[in-house]
Amino acid sequence: EPEVTQTPSHQVTQMGQEVILRCVPISNHLYFYWYRQILGQKVEFLVSFYNNEISEKSEIFDDQFSVERPDGSNFTLKIRSTKLEDSAMYFCASTPGVLGYEQYFGPGTRLTVT
Amino acid sequence: AQRVTQPEKLLSVFKGAPVELKCNYSYSGSPELFWYVQYSRQRLQLLLRHISRESIKGFTADLNKGETSFHLKKPFAQEEDSAMYYCALKTGANNLFFGTGTRLTVIP
Repeated sequence: EPEVTQTPSHQVTQMGQEVILRCVPISNHLYFYWYRQILGQKVEFLVSFYNNEISEKSEIFDDQFSVERPDGSNFTLKIRSTKLEDSAMYFCASTPGVLGYEQYFGPGTRLTVT
Repeated sequence: AQRVTQPEKLLSVFKGAPVELKCNYSYSGSPELFWYVQYSRQRLQLLLRHISRESIKGFTADLNKGETSFHLKKPFAQEEDSAMYYCALKTGANNLFFGTGTRLTVIP
């Protein structure tokens, strides 16, 4: 069964550095999402992406964040200048459509900012 | 603004006992609710959604609009049910608003 994949599984970076988290959604899916989960807290929506543009974003998704689908398979989340509070588990998800479809989640990337 | 409340952070039950994981929501639109489960070292996966009205792995959940609840129930808990359970509300274009989760431990 096809799955969403994410790389790396764990990323350690220094405060102020740029980081790119990568996701490969399921191949026939059209809608893509990023969520994050700070340790001990709930999963929070960051951004949704469709047709090469952002559909919706949360208050968390400020100017430090950007998303891109650079080719036909990858979907990336870039954090320009990481802060300590960006340390979290980042999940990518994809879905073939909007109405009545479940979101398929990747295994997550653990980002640690030191 | 939307809200999803899972009042129990931790829940322990004995194997074979009934289990109920509570979820209450607040949403101005027409709610679409889900239960997601995360087993140890595995990814988040959909357990069930209210529009399907199905039973998955013996679990059921009924949307009660009067009580704004979507509690997850299973009559006889199994050890393999031990996991983190998240109630989620679909909002906006298609994003999910999650509760804080309940860690269920089934004691053998």
